[in-house]
This record gives sequence, structure tokens and C-alpha cells, in this order.
Amino acid sequence: DVKVTQSSRYLVKRTGEKVFLECVQDMDHENMFWYRQDPGLGLRLIYFSYDVKMKEKGDIPEGYSVSREKKERFSLILESASTNQTSMYLCASSPILQSANEKLFFGSGTQLSVL
Amino acid sequence: AQKVTQAQTEISVVEKEDVTLDCVYETRDTTYYLFWYKQPPSGELVFLIRRNSFDEQNEISGRYSWNFQKSTSSFNFTITASQVVDSAVYFCALSENYNFNKFYFGSGTKLNVKP
Repeated sequence: DVKVTQSSRYLVKRTGEKVFLECVQDMDHENMFWYRQDPGLGLRLIYFSYDVKMKEKGDIPEGYSVSREKKERFSLILESASTNQTSMYLCASSPILQSANEKLFFGSGTQLSVL
Repeated sequence: AQKVTQAQTEISVVEKEDVTLDCVYETRDTTYYLFWYKQPPSGELVFLIRRNSFDEQNEISGRYSWNFQKSTSSFNFTITASQVVDSAVYFCALSENYNFNKFYFGSGTKLNVKP
């Protein structure tokens, strides 16, 4: 089974801190995604990566950056955390997308609270 | 405009009742895929089903069934004889063939099944 592992289940940070959220997948998937989940808004795409060192902005990239130095690891960075970034963050991966058919494999999420 | 609408924010049923979760989607693409994911309290979204736009056949898997109707742009999900373990947030999602790196998620329906 595909395993997508997010380093922390719960995280509490202070406003202005630099925050790193880590995600590792073990199935050699080309694509990795970071989503943000908020009540009533569903999942919104922050960034995705289709290869090492390649990234594309999603719907809500402001205030975030990402890093993919190795195929299995995709990091989400909050340069200066703000309270409106308090949310559940979900990492996902998938094999190379050649059509709309591919499904996503998700991690368990990181609930980030910014105080 | 939202691509995927799940109008039911939260539903509560008593065990053994049948329950239907609604999903309405919007797309101009002729080739697309619809998905349902389940998010239990543990947080990880789990893939349930995928349907392509050319296959309107309804599908049944145990207590789960899905009704896809292109005429009404709906992809509804029914759980028969619900169980407490069905309690979760359920997400409907759309992927379009012309931009298949992008998944559009609905806002989710929280299902509470009481014993």
C-alpha cells in the first residue's frame, strides 16, 4: 500500500515563525500536492510538484512556498506564519498524471495552530 | 462558481438507516472523472470510487452505491444500513481531462451515524 507520511499530526506555532511541514511518500510517485482544508471550504490546492525541483502554484499559494529536493519528499513552508494560516494541511501524492483518471493518496494531515 | 457542490454540510442518522450524500458538479469538458473520498476522524482521505464521464452505469459495492446522472450533473452516494464506522466526512471531487493535475473538491458532508 502507498504510504504518505506527514511529520506532525498537531503543530502549534507563534505568529511570525517560519514553519516547515514535511511530507514523505514511499511509492515513487512523481506528483505531490499540498492542500489546505477549512470547514465549509473543502480542500484547496496550495502547490503541487510534478518532478524534483519542479513546482506549480495552486489556488491559494500566497504566504506559502514549497521545496522538493528529493522525489519522495515535499515540504510546505510558511515563511512568516499568520493566524489566518491556522488550518488542517493535507499532503497527497499520485503516479504521473496522464489523464484525469488517477486518484490521490493522502497523508493523515497536520493540524496547524498559529497563535 | 464552484465546480463541485455538496449542499449537505452535516447529516445525522441512526444506525441501520439508509443515507444519501448529494454531489452536483459543473464542467464544460466532455471527458472528466468524478471521485468520492472518505475522511474518518484519523484524518487521512481514503479513495472510495472513481467514475468517468462516459460510464453512467450505477455501481454497487457492498452497502455503498453510487448514482451518476449526467442529465442532472449529479454523482450521489448512498450508504445502505449505515453503521457507526461510516461516521466520517465525505468529499466528492472532479478532475477534468484538459487540466488533469487539478482536482476540484466539494466542501464535504459530515456524516454522523448514531448507535
